[in-house]
Amino acid sequence: GAGVSQSPSNKVTEKGKDVELRCDPISGHTALYWYRQRLGQGLEFLIYFQGNSAPDKSGLPSDRFSAERTGESVSTLTIQRTQQEDSAVYLCASSNRVGGNQPQHFGDGTRLSIL
Amino acid sequence: GESVGLHLPTLSVQEGDNSIINCAYSNSASDYFIWYKQESGKGPQFIIDIRSNMDKRQGQRVTVLLNKTVKHLSLQIAATQPGDSAVYFCAERFNNAGNMLTFGGGTRLMVKP
Repeated sequence: GAGVSQSPSNKVTEKGKDVELRCDPISGHTALYWYRQRLGQGLEFLIYFQGNSAPDKSGLPSDRFSAERTGESVSTLTIQRTQQEDSAVYLCASSNRVGGNQPQHFGDGTRLSIL
Repeated sequence: GESVGLHLPTLSVQEGDNSIINCAYSNSASDYFIWYKQESGKGPQFIIDIRSNMDKRQGQRVTVLLNKTVKHLSLQIAATQPGDSAVYFCAERFNNAGNMLTFGGGTRLMVKP
């Protein structure tokens, strides 16, 4: 079946511009997560959504970052007034449900480069 | 394209040998652990998981060992193949943290033919 799909796969933009990254989770997965991965580093949690509950935004690094999710489907991560330190791979994952022992399944990410 | 893990610890093994990748986790209250494999330009791929009430779990060519006393997790890959070359991450879930995972820094596995 289809996995987690992210778009665009690559994004190059100028400092100060806004960017919007999209994630389509695996169908039926109620939980959705965003991570940031800087070059040569591990994954840094940003935000997660579970059903209609309020999202956990505790990992968002600044108020320039925001995310939305429509029901239990697509999510968008928006970065406003991008800075060079925002350059990274942004990964989205989904899982069957929060709680229990359900591994997260990842997309291939969006590689964001801020000039 | 961009490579993941240019400055990561590296384990180099000969094809056909067994590999052991180690991970020290941070929280004694973590109740669930996962190993992921990440190839260049790809997202992390689930390999195997283990609950904290277990100390060993086996999959196909892979075994995960959990030592809660010293907060240590290892991934053993039997008969390592060139296709196993990748960066490997361990992840832990803090108990009562929903399903939020905290990832380790990763280890690059290089398999020599």
